[in-house]
Amino acid sequence: DIQMTQSPSTLSASLGDRVTITCRASQSISSWLAWYQQKVGKVPKLLIYKASTLESGVPSRFSGSGSGTEFTLTISSLQPDDFATYYCQQYHTYSTFGQGTKLEIK
Amino acid sequence: EVQLVESGGGLIQPGGSLRLSCAASAFTVSSNCMTWVRQAPGQGLECVSIIYSDGRTYYADSVKGRFTISRDNSKNALYLQINSLGVEDTAVYYCARGQLSGASYFDLWGRGTLVTVSS
Repeated sequence: DIQMTQSPSTLSASLGDRVTITCRASQSISSWLAWYQQKVGKVPKLLIYKASTLESGVPSRFSGSGSGTEFTLTISSLQPDDFATYYCQQYHTYSTFGQGTKLEIK
Repeated sequence: EVQLVESGGGLIQPGGSLRLSCAASAFTVSSNCMTWVRQAPGQGLECVSIIYSDGRTYYADSVKGRFTISRDNSKNALYLQINSLGVEDTAVYYCARGQLSGASYFDLWGRGTLVTVSS
């Protein structure tokens, strides 16, 4: 199975900061990568698919990049609503999630 | 309204069985890849099973041989039969829709159903 590793596991940042979360695959997955946001007690929400395509309705401050084995999710200017846990997911072969990155207020 | 609604969770003793259901509205389950994703308390997301539009199925190693995914096209519903439950299976179980017919990202999620395995 393809393993997905996110870093960091926890990220402390302030409102207005630009933050980047990294996701690495154990083998090449081309661009078959999605990003999700999950708030406590809520359902995961799709943000980005195919590594860089923004899901409809997702604010443009979110962006994704990468291909092969290394990917990033960037939030250009943190807003109060962005503090949550973020997961990457590969869908090149079946489906595997990363372990998550918790974005906290500094 | 396009939605997924799970049911069937509850408190079950170790070694027991459950069948989870997921009712879909406003789209056709058999046309999409569908999945069950679980989340143990305080933990991350784990995709435990997938059924593709062509009927192929996938199981995570942690549940292989114990879980069975299926769908009923006439009821437009997805199911997960869970046998030989262990405490490690305690989790919220979400059903989710894949946007593609094959391997996919998941654009629609149900609210989840809680399975608690305890004696």
